[in-house]
Amino acid sequence: QVNLVESGGGVVRPGGSLRLSCEVSGFTFSSHAMHWVRQAPGKGLEWLAIISENENTKYYADSVKGRFTISRDNFKNTLYLQMISLTIEDTAVYHCARRTYFGSGSYAIDFWGQGTLVTVSA
Amino acid sequence: HSVLTQPPSVSGAPGQRVTISCTGSSSNIGADYDVHWYQQLPGTVPKLVIYADKNRPSGVPDRFSGSKSGTSASLAITGLRAEDEADYYCQSYDSRLNGYVFGTGTTVTVL
Repeated sequence: QVNLVESGGGVVRPGGSLRLSCEVSGFTFSSHAMHWVRQAPGKGLEWLAIISENENTKYYADSVKGRFTISRDNFKNTLYLQMISLTIEDTAVYHCARRTYFGSGSYAIDFWGQGTLVTVSA
Repeated sequence: HSVLTQPPSVSGAPGQRVTISCTGSSSNIGADYDVHWYQQLPGTVPKLVIYADKNRPSGVPDRFSGSKSGTSASLAITGLRAEDEADYYCQSYDSRLNGYVFGTGTTVTVL
């Protein structure tokens, strides 16, 4: 079955860096674009970034542009999120999510990982 | 600060119908980009309940329906059940931001 498992979260000081990983299984990773989405404690969902199937195209939310970098390794079935210059506002659970084609030109997220908690604190 | 605005909460008695609005602008919903809806039960990850404005993924009951008009979209739940208590989020693409956006989220309470 489809499985997405994030790792790499933890406690980091403001200004610090962290790299998150998302290892997937149960589907052909190279056939799907992938998203990162985060959810601060008690808050709503915030879209962060998307990477195309072949890594040629990447888009970012304004809140993380220039600080976060999305990448993937299709041989290792792994998605990454490199984060630098972290602030307290980056504290959240970070989810990787699979984009799937539903036909008629429509794409949506159909599977989510359980997430990894990133806490930015002095 | 999201560009898609939802009411913070809606409620209804079992069996009733509730609707959740998602208000956007000419750069997202108004530009006819697809709107998707996700249900997040307490302590779980989001689940897709409506894609491309009005379509239900396999396994989602037909009590859930979606619609879109102008710069807004709506999710309706009919025959409300206790198991529908959750947070609901709309999502679309925004051409001005050149990225995806989630709505502010709505908590559905079954009275």
